[in-house]
Amino acid sequence: LAKTTQPISMDSYEGQEVNITCSHNNIATNDYITWYQQFPSQGPRFIIQGYKTKVTNEVASLFIPADRKSSTLSLPRVSLSDTAVYYCLVGGMNTGFQKLVFGTGTRLLVSP
Amino acid sequence: DAGVTQSPTHLIKTRGQQVTLRCSPKSGHDTVSWYQQALGQGPQFIFQYYEEEERQRGNFPDRFSGHQFPNYSSELNVNALLLGDSALYLCASSSRDLVQETQYFGPGTRLLVL
Repeated sequence: LAKTTQPISMDSYEGQEVNITCSHNNIATNDYITWYQQFPSQGPRFIIQGYKTKVTNEVASLFIPADRKSSTLSLPRVSLSDTAVYYCLVGGMNTGFQKLVFGTGTRLLVSP
Repeated sequence: DAGVTQSPTHLIKTRGQQVTLRCSPKSGHDTVSWYQQALGQGPQFIFQYYEEEERQRGNFPDRFSGHQFPNYSSELNVNALLLGDSALYLCASSSRDLVQETQYFGPGTRLLVL
C-alpha cells in the first residue's frame, strides 16, 4: 500500500478555508484516495473519497492533480468543531481485501 | 440506517485476563476489519473478516483472534492481556459489492489493562 505524508499539525481561525495536502508519490493505478476525520476517543469518520480531478460533498472538497501523486483536502469556512485529526489514506479499488494503513495524520486546531 | 456499533464502550481488565469485543457492521456491509489505536497514534490494522474467514492479518500476535458470524457481526478476542494492549479498539465495516470498499468505523471500545 502507498505511503502517505501529511503535515503533522496546522492552525487556523474560525471562518477560514483550510487546505491539507497529502503526498502519495507511490500511488498505484487502482488506488483511491480517502480522507477521515477523527475526534479524541472516537472512531474515524469518513469525509471524502476520490480517484482523480475534483470531488465535492457537503462537508469538503478533494483536489487531485493529473499525476495523482498528491491530494488536497479543502475545508471551507472551518469552525471550532473542525478541530480534529485528519488522515489521508490510499488503497486499491476492489483488488482484494483492503486494509487501511494510517499515518500519524494532521492535527488541525481551529481557534476563535 | 444504523451505522457500525461496538460493545462495550469501555472495559477494564487486569494483566493475564482475556477480553472479547463485539462489532455489528453497517447495514448492507459484509466485511469487518479491526484496528488498534494507541494513544496519540493512528489506527493499526489487526485483521479483516469476510464470509466468516480471516482474509488479511496485520502484525499482531496470535493472542489476537477473531470471529465473524453468519449475520456479519464480529468479535475480537485478546488472550493473556498485557499492559501494552491498552488502547482504543476500532471496528470498521465495508461491502465487497462496492468498487471502492470504503470502510466505515464504529465508535470504538476503550480497553484499559491494569
